[in-house]
This record gives sequence, C-alpha cells and structure tokens, in this order.
Amino acid sequence: DAGITQSPRHKVTETGTPVTLRCHQTENHRYMYWYRQDPGHGLRLIHYSYGVKDTDKGEVSDGYSVSRSKTEDFLLTLESATSSQTSVYFCAITEGASGEQFFGPGTRLTVL
Amino acid sequence: ILNVEQSPQSLHVQEGDSTNFTCSFPSSNFYALHWYRWETAKSPEALFVMTLNGDEKKKGRISATLNTKEGYSYLYIKGSQPEDSATYLCAFNPNTGNQFYFGTGTSLTVIP
Repeated sequence: DAGITQSPRHKVTETGTPVTLRCHQTENHRYMYWYRQDPGHGLRLIHYSYGVKDTDKGEVSDGYSVSRSKTEDFLLTLESATSSQTSVYFCAITEGASGEQFFGPGTRLTVL
Repeated sequence: ILNVEQSPQSLHVQEGDSTNFTCSFPSSNFYALHWYRWETAKSPEALFVMTLNGDEKKKGRISATLNTKEGYSYLYIKGSQPEDSATYLCAFNPNTGNQFYFGTGTSLTVIP
C-alpha cells in the first residue's frame, strides 16, 4: 500500500476555523499530492510537492495551502474553512519512473 | 486545466458479459495515461500505466489499449464478475509537469 497514512480520517468543523490534514509516507517518495473528491468531478488536484519545501498549485488550489518540511509529511491547511470545502481528501505519492500513483485512505471533512 | 473525458458515465451489465469504456484526453504533450479501479469506501487502486502509442496491457480479465495520436484509451473487461463492480478512472499525465488530470470515471455494476 506504499505506506501512506492520512490523519485525521474524519473531521467535522465549523465555517471559519482553520483545519490541517496530514499525509505521512514511510518510503521516501519524492512526489506527494493532495486531491479532493466531489460528486460529478472525480479527483481534482489541489497542490503537489516535488521535494522538501518544493510545492506547486493544482487546478483547485484557492483556499488551500500546503507545507512539506520533511520528506515523509505533506500537510494541507484550510486557513478558514468554508462549506464548499466539505469533501473527501486523498493524499497520493508517485512511485518509480513509471509515475504510478498510490493513494492514502482518504480524510472525510465536513464543514458546517 | 486539461479536459479528460470518460464514457459512459455508468454501466450495468450481466455477469459474464464483456464490456468496455473509453477515456479521451488531449493528444498533444502526452507522457502517460493511467487507469485506476475505485471501489466504494476505498482508495483508487492502480491498474495500468500506459506510455507508448499502441500499448496494450493486460491483468487477468482486464485489458487496456492506448492511441496517443487520436487521444483515447479503451479499458476492456472480459466475462464481468460481480467483484468487478467499481468506478474505473483514467488519468492523463502531460509532459509539462508531474500533474495528473483525472476523468470523472465510469461506474460499472455487474448484476449476478
């Protein structure tokens, strides 16, 4: 399973509060990704990282920030959560030259 | 934002039927095309990574073909079984970076 964990797995929060989701990997992969999954949209890329302190925006990055201070951890922060950010969030890594992606178990976030 | 389309959106077949779905993607700046199987309440699971025009890949009863010149890939399932019921996602990986652009998936239900 490529050693990917996400925490928390479920969270309910209120509009306007900050939220941080954590993705942790144990196999020293360079590339890490955050996606959100919404009905009718499939998976959409929020941000990705190509190394420690190296990150870039995806197609739906507004309202989200990320940090990667260690190879194994990629954090996704919602500075001020909104109801439109209610979603399931998946972390992924890319393994090897083939670019095959492996996904974490997901975090279900509800913003009331 | 790159457009990746999958059809049909959903499909119901009888056990034992063979079926196929389509993924359409931009034919320029191609690097790789990925197929995933996604069961409800689980994470997407990689099936194939396809990189060369004319590629054909097979895993058990599932196979895939790739046409990069015209921008499409087909996924075939031979002799569908109830355990094949899942959403099948494709993702386009352009050569301009390490981003993945997902289609919205084909939901397959195999009726016993």
